[in-house]
Amino acid sequence: NAGVTQTPKFQVLKTGQSMTLQCAQDMNHNSMYWYRQDPGMGLRLIYYSASEGTTDKGEVPNGYNVSRLNKREFSLRLESAAPSQTSVYFCASLEELYNSPLHFGNGTRLTVT
Amino acid sequence: GNSVTQMEGPVTLSEEAFLTINCTYTATGYPSLFWYVQYPGEGLQLLLKATKADDKGSNKGFEATYRKETTSFHLEKGSVQVSDSAVYFCALSSSSGGSYIPTFGRGTSLIVHP
Repeated sequence: NAGVTQTPKFQVLKTGQSMTLQCAQDMNHNSMYWYRQDPGMGLRLIYYSASEGTTDKGEVPNGYNVSRLNKREFSLRLESAAPSQTSVYFCASLEELYNSPLHFGNGTRLTVT
Repeated sequence: GNSVTQMEGPVTLSEEAFLTINCTYTATGYPSLFWYVQYPGEGLQLLLKATKADDKGSNKGFEATYRKETTSFHLEKGSVQVSDSAVYFCALSSSSGGSYIPTFGRGTSLIVHP
């Protein structure tokens, strides 16, 4: 059981370049989330998707777009990367029960120079 | 809106010391409460949870009790080990308009010395 898989693990971009972070889960969860983790800031929600075909903004959506391609996959796109987007990005999924925990991928460490 | 506040770190302890990491929350309704642990280079994983007032979650020697009257969910362990060195996140989850929006604290780094 792979759980939540993120690719790539590491990426270095130059300012202005674009890229897509991929995330897939094999637990048949409806809800999926993208977070960024920065030192001293904890986890901040970028976007989430409550079900296939729907997406909503989180706390820090500016500079990002998302696609819920199907129930398994939820991608995060940076159209024009900026140094402020240097961070560790985590994808997570959730079984929709009131007491269920998030399941996280191992993260993508992104550096924008 | 919902929020979670946890004590700032790093918390530095010697092996076999007692650990407390404080966590308080603000939320409407009756959220579920969680502690997650993050080991270096990995994603977060569930450590324990509690779903209603006075529930005690426990796992791997860690415990936390859901205190509604003080809106707290403090993490404790009686005797820490070097292998417990990690970052610990307090979180809550509640339903909003049919969606579940987990809210996290900023994390507390724990360093345990031999």
